[in-house]
Amino acid sequence: DGGITQSPKYLFRKEGQNVTLSCEQNLNHDAMYWYRQDPGQGLRLIYYSQIVNDFQKGDIAEGYSVSREKKESFPLTVTSAQKNPTAFYLCASSIVWVNTGELFFGEGSRLTVL
Amino acid sequence: QQPVQSPQAVILREGEDAVINCSSSKALYSVHWYRQKHGEAPVFLMILLKGGEQKGHEKISASFNEKKQQSSLYLTASQLSYSGTYFCGTEGPSGAGSYQLTFGKGTKLSVIP
Repeated sequence: DGGITQSPKYLFRKEGQNVTLSCEQNLNHDAMYWYRQDPGQGLRLIYYSQIVNDFQKGDIAEGYSVSREKKESFPLTVTSAQKNPTAFYLCASSIVWVNTGELFFGEGSRLTVL
Repeated sequence: QQPVQSPQAVILREGEDAVINCSSSKALYSVHWYRQKHGEAPVFLMILLKGGEQKGHEKISASFNEKKQQSSLYLTASQLSYSGTYFCGTEGPSGAGSYQLTFGKGTKLSVIP
């Protein structure tokens, strides 16, 4: 079945550590996105990529980094520079532009900083 | 800039109707609607495009007023399965010259027997 796979589902991190969240899709979508979700804040865009080897900052990119070396993969690294990293992270993809179709979301990764 | 959704929360009895509104301060190219149940990923409901085209599920209806930069989602004859948080996402030009989807803070809908 086609879809988006995020891993790990739950992750605990000590302060000062970098962590990488995995996102893989087999939908053959060109565009991929990372959103952060906090209670009462909705979904806020961290980074997005419309083609391989290219990505753009979203609204809250500080303290995060991404790469897009393969079409199907878009990992997100939460660095120690991110002051409040505890959150629910959602990866999504779409065909090309969002206006051509829906966003398909993964099941999410919940990061907790101890 | 996040679109503003209203109401923030609503409680309905089965069979009642509800309207969720989404308003943006900038010009819009399209509006998306998603529903998220607790602990799950958001699920697509509908896209409304500038010019009047709509794509989505048959049982969901919505409107998009391009001039007012507003959209409304209409839920009729609500069922228990309609419970969840509804998000609108607005698409407009970003500073980088490309398009991105910006979500509102959500409207929590609870349907009770």
